[in-house]
Amino acid sequence: TAGITQAPTSQILAAGRSMTLRCTQDMRHNAMYWYRQDLGLGLRLIHYSNTAGTTGKGEVPDGYSVSRANTDDFPLTLASAVPSQTSVYFCASRTGGTGNTGELFFGEGSRLTVL
Amino acid sequence: AQSVTQPDIHITVSEGASLELRCNYSYGATPYLFWYVQSPGQGLQLLLKYFSGDTLVQGIKGFEAEFKRSQSSFNLRKPSVHWSDAAEYFCAVGLNDMRFGAGTRLTVKP
Repeated sequence: TAGITQAPTSQILAAGRSMTLRCTQDMRHNAMYWYRQDLGLGLRLIHYSNTAGTTGKGEVPDGYSVSRANTDDFPLTLASAVPSQTSVYFCASRTGGTGNTGELFFGEGSRLTVL
Repeated sequence: AQSVTQPDIHITVSEGASLELRCNYSYGATPYLFWYVQSPGQGLQLLLKYFSGDTLVQGIKGFEAEFKRSQSSFNLRKPSVHWSDAAEYFCAVGLNDMRFGAGTRLTVKP
C-alpha cells in the first residue's frame, strides 16, 4: 500500500530558484497538509486543503504556495527559495468530513537544502 | 488560535522505568488532542487521540494519556519503557488545521 508519496526525497537548491515538492496520496482522503519540521520547533503547518479545489494558510505560509486541482495531489511550490526554507517537509492527509477520525497519515518527508 | 506547549525538550529514562511526557494546549473550543511518535528518519505515527468521553485514553504500544480540562493538559504516560520507545514524541491539537508542539526527545538508558 503506497499511502502518501513525496518527491523528491532530498534536494539541494540554489537561493532564488523555484522548486515544487510533490505529494500524492492513494487513500482518497479529502484533507491534505504540508508541514515543515525544524529542530526545536517541531512541525509547523504551512498550508492545508480540506477538499479538492480549496486551500488554506497555516502558521508559516509566507514564501510557499499550494494548489489542489484533484483529490490525490497537493504540490507545494517555493517560488524563490531562501536559505531559511532549508527544512524537512512532510505531506500528510486524513479522511475529513463525517469519516474524520483525526488521524494524519504522513509521507516519508522531503529534505530541502537552500544554499 | 490553538497552540501546544511541550515543556520538556529532552527526557532520559532507564529501561523499565515509568514515563510521563507533558503537553499543555490552548484551544478555543472542545479540543481534539493527539500524540504522535517519530522514529529517526521516519514520518509520524499516531499513538492515541482524544475527542470526547473518557478522559483516559489508551493507545498503541502500551501508551496512555489523560485529558485534564482544568489544567489544559494531555500528558502521555507509559508504566514501563522499552528501549524501542526511544524516539521523538509530538503532542498536537486541532482538527482541520492541526498544530503540533515542538516535541520531546526520549532517550532510554539500558
